[in-house]
Amino acid sequence: QQQVKQSPQSLIVQKGGISIINCAYENTAFDYFPWYQQFPGKGPALLIAIRPDVSEKKEGRFTISFNKSAKQFSLHIMDSQPGDSATYFCAASMWGGSQGNLIFGKGTKLSVKP
Amino acid sequence: NAGVTQTPKFQVLKTGQSMTLQCAQDMNHEYMSWYRQDPGMGLRLIHYSVGAGITDQGEVPNGYNVSRSTTEDFPLRLLSAAPSQTSVYFCASSRDSNSPLHFGNGTRLTVT
Repeated sequence: QQQVKQSPQSLIVQKGGISIINCAYENTAFDYFPWYQQFPGKGPALLIAIRPDVSEKKEGRFTISFNKSAKQFSLHIMDSQPGDSATYFCAASMWGGSQGNLIFGKGTKLSVKP
Repeated sequence: NAGVTQTPKFQVLKTGQSMTLQCAQDMNHEYMSWYRQDPGMGLRLIHYSVGAGITDQGEVPNGYNVSRSTTEDFPLRLLSAAPSQTSVYFCASSRDSNSPLHFGNGTRLTVT
């Protein structure tokens, strides 16, 4: 049972464009939704995270949009740059449980073309 | 601070061999965990620990053992390696259950 479904599997965007990655979850008990960024040969690193009491969170060029009723959340990367080329993972966990018990999506490989 | 340090970076094992993947953190984090990453599968939790002396199973624990004798170290033991355990293994830690995870740079394991 895949609790967090992520799409697309891969994404090619031109420099300056908007990259959009979507995730859907099944467990309504999830209430912490982070996005992780991973470069080749490195471990994932936290990019941005949201809790369901807000519908949007923005940090620089990165925005999470959250739709609680649809059980969906998405990552938007504005003005995408070649340096953003990486694999992105959405994840979910339960407040009061451990953030370490994250359930990850399968990842999206983003390529930003110059 | 070094953060989360994993050793070795690469390892090749023959089927049936045993080995220990090392993980150490110098941030005094209580929470530590092990994930495996396989192509197209994302990261799956193997075992985790909420503090020294306390461990529990994650999503895919079979074939792996862990122990947590100190706050700093959380080794992962493969008892009898199988080709299905070929993967990239990541160790992670966090200050507490409500803090973000910090990942190491992984150990790439190949079992032939």
